[in-house]
Order: sequence, then structure tokens, then C-alpha cells
Amino acid sequence: AQSVTQPDIHITVSEGASLELRCNYSYGATPYLFWYVQSPGQGLQLLLKYFSGDTLVQGIKGFEAEFKRSQSSFNLRKPSVHWSDAAEYFCAVGVRYQLIWGAGTKLIIKP
Amino acid sequence: EAQVTQNPRYLITVTGKKLTVTCSQNMNHEYMSWYRQDPGLGLRQIYYSMNVEVTDKGDVPEGYKVSRKEKRNFPLILESPSPNQTSLYFCASSLSTGNQPQHFGDGTRLSIL
Repeated sequence: AQSVTQPDIHITVSEGASLELRCNYSYGATPYLFWYVQSPGQGLQLLLKYFSGDTLVQGIKGFEAEFKRSQSSFNLRKPSVHWSDAAEYFCAVGVRYQLIWGAGTKLIIKP
Repeated sequence: EAQVTQNPRYLITVTGKKLTVTCSQNMNHEYMSWYRQDPGLGLRQIYYSMNVEVTDKGDVPEGYKVSRKEKRNFPLILESPSPNQTSLYFCASSLSTGNQPQHFGDGTRLSIL
């Protein structure tokens, strides 16, 4: 069965430091891959997506993600985080008629 | 402005009292979906609709109903709510199929006492 794993429930990063959020998936074919962000009290906003082609994709708010087929991973990165990046981040895999979601990683920013 | 609108945003009600959460999108999207979000579980799909009059069960459909009589609207119905349906609910839409980028509403927080 398809699944998405985000191994880190929480991550704490100092403002200005780099960030990497991990996402691993289980799916037989190359899936469509997404990262979404959820700020407190709000809905989910699409950060970036991978369908095919270049395995390094750029998104909004300075985020990027790299698809590694051999590792079944799609990790999210940002070179320098800002306090406004504090939120919950969700990785999702698109399979046929639905998105399969990871449980989310809560990002905490230390001043 | 392209948006998905859910109402109400917050609702506290009692067990067994039927309720409907409305969802409307203005993007002419064919695909619409309902999710519930619970701590530590991510988003779980309740029902989805590929087009008007076409609906199908997601991963957690028990206790919920939906309808899709018009393209823009996709209401979620809880005919006899129970406390285990206390959750944060999201409606989403996408252009054609569910594996495409989805646009989300701001969520509805339901508390069933």
C-alpha cells in the first residue's frame, strides 16, 4: 500500500539557520510529489510540486525540494529560515485519484 | 480571487444533531474532496468527487455523506454526529484529478459534545 513517512514530528531551528525536512514514500511508480505548509489556524498552501524532469524543484517562500528516486525521498530544504516559517509542513504523494499524506512536521524557530 | 470557501469555520454541537458543512469553489474545478485532520495523523480523506453526481469514498467515510449536485458545491453531511467526529475538516479542489495540486479552504473546526 502507498504510504508517506515524515520521520520528524517536530524540528527546532534557529532563525537564519538552514533547514531540511525529510519525506519518504512507498509507491510502485514515480509519483507526483508535493509539499504543503499549514500556518496556525489556516488551510494548507502548496509550496512546491514535482511531476517529472529536473529532480530539484523550486517553490515559493525560498523553499526547494529534491526528488531522489533511489531513496524514495523528497526532502524539503531552505538555506536560511525566518521566524515566519514556523508552521506545520506536510509531504504528500499523488496516486491516481487522491493524495496520500504524511503526518506532518512541526517547525519551531528559535530566535 | 480563486478560493475554496467553507462554512461554518467553527461549530460546537451535540451528539445526534444533524449538521452540514458547506464547501464552494470558484475555479471551475472538477475534483473536490473532504479531509479530516487529527493530531499525529495528518490528513485523511473522507470522500471525493471527480465531477457532478460522481462521488466516492476515501479512507474514512463512516458517519459522513456528501453530494455533488453542482460543480462548485460539495457539502459534507453528518447525519448523526458523534464525539469521535470532533476534528478539523478541510475541503479542497483541483482542476481534474486528485493527484494534482489541491486548493484548500481555511478549515472547519467541529466539536461534538
